[in-house]
Amino acid sequence: EPEVTQTPSHQVTQMGQEVILRCVPISNHLYFYWYRQILGQKVEFLVSFYNNEISEKSEIFDDQFSVERPDGSNFTLKIRSTKLEDSAMYFCASGRTHLDNEQFFGPGTRLTVL
Amino acid sequence: QKEVEQNSGPLSVPEGAIASLNCTYSDRGSQSFFWYRQYSGKSPELIMSIYSNGDKEDGRFTAQLNKASQYVSLLIRDSQPSDSATYLCAVRLPQGGSEKLVFGKGTKLTVNP
Repeated sequence: EPEVTQTPSHQVTQMGQEVILRCVPISNHLYFYWYRQILGQKVEFLVSFYNNEISEKSEIFDDQFSVERPDGSNFTLKIRSTKLEDSAMYFCASGRTHLDNEQFFGPGTRLTVL
Repeated sequence: QKEVEQNSGPLSVPEGAIASLNCTYSDRGSQSFFWYRQYSGKSPELIMSIYSNGDKEDGRFTAQLNKASQYVSLLIRDSQPSDSATYLCAVRLPQGGSEKLVFGKGTKLTVNP
């Protein structure tokens, strides 16, 4: 069964450094998402991406964040200058259509900012 | 503030019993509702989606939706220890084609052998 994959599984970085989190969505899916979950808290929406552009973003997704689909398979989340409060699990998700909006999550990247 | 509320539990049931998980949402126009299972340290796994009032069954899982009461529930029949996890309710908001899911905090379920 096709799955969303994410790399790395764990990323440790120093405050102020740039990180890039990578995702390979399910191959016939057209809609891509990033969510994050701070330890012990709710899963929170960051951004949705369709047709090579951002379709929606949350207030969390400020100028420090960007997304890109650099080729036909990868979908990346870049955090330009990490802060301590960016420490969280970051989940990539993909969906085939937006009509039923079923979103399938990858295994996540645990980001630790020191 | 658009909210999705769940009883955080923990909910403890014996093996073989029915586990009942509940969720309420504040935005009356919401159209799409999802239940995810999240094992500790893992990612959310989609187990049920429901879009219209009534019941939807898939194996041991039944999702129930009542839009008038803004209430969605998940029943797990013949609960197994492997069902022990946190169950997340997620709602798609109705605004202008938004695809984002709003999640509740989750209900932790423990199934005791």
